[in-house]
Amino acid sequence: EVYLVESGGGLIQPGGSLRLSCEGSGYTFSGYAMAWVRQAPGKGLEWVSGIRANHDSTYYADSVKGRFTISRDNSKSLLYLQMHSLTADDTATYYCARDDAPGGGYCDSWGQGVQVTVSP
Amino acid sequence: DIQMTQSPSTLSASLGDRVTITCRASQSIDVWLAWYQHKPGKAPKVLIYKTYYLESGVPSRFSGRGYGTEFTLTISSLQPDDFATYYCQQYKTDPRTFGQGTKVEI
Repeated sequence: EVYLVESGGGLIQPGGSLRLSCEGSGYTFSGYAMAWVRQAPGKGLEWVSGIRANHDSTYYADSVKGRFTISRDNSKSLLYLQMHSLTADDTATYYCARDDAPGGGYCDSWGQGVQVTVSP
Repeated sequence: DIQMTQSPSTLSASLGDRVTITCRASQSIDVWLAWYQHKPGKAPKVLIYKTYYLESGVPSRFSGRGYGTEFTLTISSLQPDDFATYYCQQYKTDPRTFGQGTKVEI
């Protein structure tokens, strides 16, 4: 069974930085693309960023481009999201998700999510 | 970026009802569409991928149709476990955008 466990969330001041991590287990982590998806309070799901299996390509939503960086360490089965210049609009539950293929696709497995709150 | 628009935003229905949710893409996405179910405090769950393929373990009362820019998710007979918010997502191009969601309520 696929397990994805996020960590690194918390309360951060506006303008601050935070790094989220996601550990994958139960499958060959290096064989799948990965993604981060978030849900702000009272809002819908928003795809944030994706990275291919061999981490040669990364993609971002316009709302985070230039501020967030996705990366992965296949040797440790870890996915990261480095977030800078955080604003209240980045307050959300952040989900780590596995794509169904190495080149990206739909999200076939999800973590339980980690809360990020940006507030003074 | 491809915009995804769902309708309705909220759907009130009763147990046993047949319900249909529509998702429209701002440009053709061929068949590269997935549907997810999301309940408060839980991880989203994929129901359907590539327009009409049922994810393993998903009940057969869920079905998907469409091509290009217009897609539907149908629940043939609403069950208590189905009251949730449903999202479509295109995965033809990055960024892989979601619809705004349809809340199915009693």
